[in-house]
Amino acid sequence: QKEVEQNSGPLSVPEGAIASLNCTYSDRVSQSFFWYRQYSGKSPELIMSIYSNGDKEDGRFTAQLNKASQYVSLLIRDSQPSDSATYLCAVSSGSARQLTFGSGTQLTVLP
Amino acid sequence: EPEVTQTPSHQVTQMGQEVILRCVPISNHLYFYWYRQILGQKVEFLVSFYNNEISEKSEIFDDQFSVERPDGSNFTLKIRSTKLEDSAMYFCASSEGLGVPGYGYTFGSGTRLTVV
Repeated sequence: QKEVEQNSGPLSVPEGAIASLNCTYSDRVSQSFFWYRQYSGKSPELIMSIYSNGDKEDGRFTAQLNKASQYVSLLIRDSQPSDSATYLCAVSSGSARQLTFGSGTQLTVLP
Repeated sequence: EPEVTQTPSHQVTQMGQEVILRCVPISNHLYFYWYRQILGQKVEFLVSFYNNEISEKSEIFDDQFSVERPDGSNFTLKIRSTKLEDSAMYFCASSEGLGVPGYGYTFGSGTRLTVV
């Protein structure tokens, strides 16, 4: 059974701070890793994808991958109230690269 | 920006009835997926579809479910005899290709299915 685990939160950070979101996965043959943002009642929206060990930066977002530790993280710098949402970690595997999602971490950025 | 379009946005049906959820994937995408999310729970994979056939399916995708690409643009999920526990948000997604760097899914806005 493939598992993706996230701290459910809620995580609260003040505006302008760094938010750190973590995720672990169980399937060692997982190939690609994604962070999605989901607002209540809406569909997941892709923020970042990462495939190789190390860091990947895109604007205020940095994804970090450590395959040896089976660990993925997302850092959000200069957090804004509009970043308040549930952040979903997803891992792809299988011939069709289907995604296994974590339960999500609810982030609140306080003005 | 290209979108995955889903209709209807909300469907209410009586238990035991058949429903068809419709999706129009992004036109140059090759892989199509259905996921569902029961309220307050994880997003769960149902089925993937490539080259006009199912490529992977989960344990959830039992005989009451079927998928079809009836023409060059639509991708449908049929639930033959709905149960109360089928109530969920159903998301369609498409992907350009598995080997494309930076491939990611694009999700549709979802269909909220309520079985009463």
